[in-house]
Amino acid sequence: NAGVMQNPRHLVRRRGQEARLRCSPMKGHSHVYWYRQLPEEGLKFMVYLQKENIIDESGMPKERFSAEFPKEGPSILRIQQVVRGDSAAYFCASSPPDGRGTEAFFGQGTRLTVV
Amino acid sequence: SQQGEEDPQALSIQEGENATMNCSYKTSINNLQWYRQNSGRGLVHLILIRSNEREKHSGRLRVTLDTSKKSSSLLITASRAADTASYFCATDEGSNYKLTFGKGTLLTVNP
Repeated sequence: NAGVMQNPRHLVRRRGQEARLRCSPMKGHSHVYWYRQLPEEGLKFMVYLQKENIIDESGMPKERFSAEFPKEGPSILRIQQVVRGDSAAYFCASSPPDGRGTEAFFGQGTRLTVV
Repeated sequence: SQQGEEDPQALSIQEGENATMNCSYKTSINNLQWYRQNSGRGLVHLILIRSNEREKHSGRLRVTLDTSKKSSSLLITASRAADTASYFCATDEGSNYKLTFGKGTLLTVNP
């Protein structure tokens, strides 16, 4: 039973490009959470999604960031027109329908570097 | 200070010694968790302690929770060089889906 899979593990983008981060939840999990970790910081909640629904995006920057979790396929965190300040580790977590997001399972993260 | 604030920010000890890290939080919680993160790597879940528990053990780890003081401590006994990592506490602030992390304690265990 594979854990939460994130890809790519490392992503380098030039300023102004788009970054697409993928998260495949654990089998049977339909709830996905994205967190961002800036250098030397703890993780910060970004967004909570269920299949085809955004439940809470209170931690998402208002511009350039979007997230989706389609009926089929992985969850995608999309960052348009990246800037240097977007350089961070982005972690995804998942939980089952009857589980608590606060006891979710984390992936290994995607480290985004904007040059 | 923010929810889930760890103390100290950095700790350096010798192999074999015990390491104690503390975490303070501000609002009521259902549970508190500790995670480890090796440099540039993913999170490893260490232990979860619920608000009605006072102490929990897992191998060389001992976690205490004092809800009256809104604080928790993580004790690593007989430390090893491989324990070198950042340690984070995370609370749920009463939410059932959102975790709030502190900035972490960087533990260095010298061989």
